[in-house]
Amino acid sequence: NAGVTQTPKFQVLKTGQSMTLQCAQDMNHEYMSWYRQDPGMGLRLIHYSVGAGITDQGEVPNGYNVSRSTTEDFPLRLLSAAPSQTSVYFCASSRSGGPFSEQFFGPGTRLTVL
Amino acid sequence: ILNVEQSPQSLHVQEGDSTNFTCSFPSSNFYALHWYRWETAKSPEALFVMTLNGDEKKKGRISATLNTKEGYSYLYIKGSQPEDSATYLCADPNAGGTSYGKLTFGQGTILTVHP
Repeated sequence: NAGVTQTPKFQVLKTGQSMTLQCAQDMNHEYMSWYRQDPGMGLRLIHYSVGAGITDQGEVPNGYNVSRSTTEDFPLRLLSAAPSQTSVYFCASSRSGGPFSEQFFGPGTRLTVL
Repeated sequence: ILNVEQSPQSLHVQEGDSTNFTCSFPSSNFYALHWYRWETAKSPEALFVMTLNGDEKKKGRISATLNTKEGYSYLYIKGSQPEDSATYLCADPNAGGTSYGKLTFGQGTILTVHP
């Protein structure tokens, strides 16, 4: 199993550009989520999904869109990149999303917005 | 406590020292408390999911305890080794008032073990 994979690993954007961060998992997990990690802030939840076709907002959803058309994939779209979105983005999945279900993280995407 | 808080923020120890750090979380309506280890240039990996008051879990030289009544968990590392250097994160699936998968993370404790 590859686990949770993310592409790209690094990306530089100009302000106003859009892009999609890809996330896929091969563990047949129902729950997937996106976090951003900023210095001194810890991991903050952007959006999450409890199954195909179902998504919801996390703590910091503004400027991001998600969709979940398959169990395996959960892409994160930046609509119009801003310097405040410079961060490291992690995708995670868990079997059920319940409170006892550990999360498995992807390797991260380091995004810089100029 | 409304947030998940960890202390200290960073810790430097010598190889062979034992160390511990703290995670505080809202004690009302407790479900579980997660611990993750995050090594530089890697992704966070789960260490423990604690669920019962008084619970103690162990993995090698690392162990964790849980006090749900007072809202804290301790992570202990016995005989620290340089490969234990990492950021240790705790997370509460119910800190935001909902238990379904919305982990609220603490800021982490950065541990550096010097040879």
